[in-house]
Amino acid sequence: DIQMTQSPSTLSASVGDRVKITCRASQNINYWLAWYQQKPGKAPKLLIYQASRLESGVPSRFSGSGSGTEFTLTISSLQPDDFATYYCQQYDSYSFGQGTKVEIK
Amino acid sequence: QVQLQESGPGLVKPSETLSLKCTVSGGSINTYYWSWIRQSPGKGPEWLGYIYDDGRTKYSPSLKSRLTISVDTSKSQFSLKLTSVTAADTAVYYCARQRAYVFDYWGQGTLVTVSS
Repeated sequence: DIQMTQSPSTLSASVGDRVKITCRASQNINYWLAWYQQKPGKAPKLLIYQASRLESGVPSRFSGSGSGTEFTLTISSLQPDDFATYYCQQYDSYSFGQGTKVEIK
Repeated sequence: QVQLQESGPGLVKPSETLSLKCTVSGGSINTYYWSWIRQSPGKGPEWLGYIYDDGRTKYSPSLKSRLTISVDTSKSQFSLKLTSVTAADTAVYYCARQRAYVFDYWGQGTLVTVSS
């Protein structure tokens, strides 16, 4: 099974900050990776697919990069609505990372 | 706008069968894969399995022996049955539409607690 490891587990940031979250795969997954945002009590929301493709309706401040085993989700200028937990997900066996919580500094 | 809604008991006794339904509205159940995903408190989501409109299924290897997913296209519903549950199966269960290999529409989730 492919394991997904996110870092950091928690990230403290302020509105306007540039934020980067990393996801590492235990083996090469090419660019077969997605990112989701989840708010408390809600279902995850798809942000990015195929590592860097922005889902329709998602603000352009979100971007994804990487391939192989290392991937990054970047929020260019953190907005109040962005405080949430973010998960990566690989396509092969649909496993998710353990999550990165973005909290207010 | 596609909407999914989970339904089923919120409390199941240990060793019994957990049964949930997902009703799809606002779009066709045909030509898509439909998944069940669960999430234990404080953990990342866990994919359980999917079904296609023709009944083809794929299950997580860790649950394959206990899990059955079925579909009723005439009612735009698909269902999950998980047998021999334990406290480890306590989680929020989501149904979701699968587009290629990602999940683009989700239900709101339903908490299922396994307890006597």
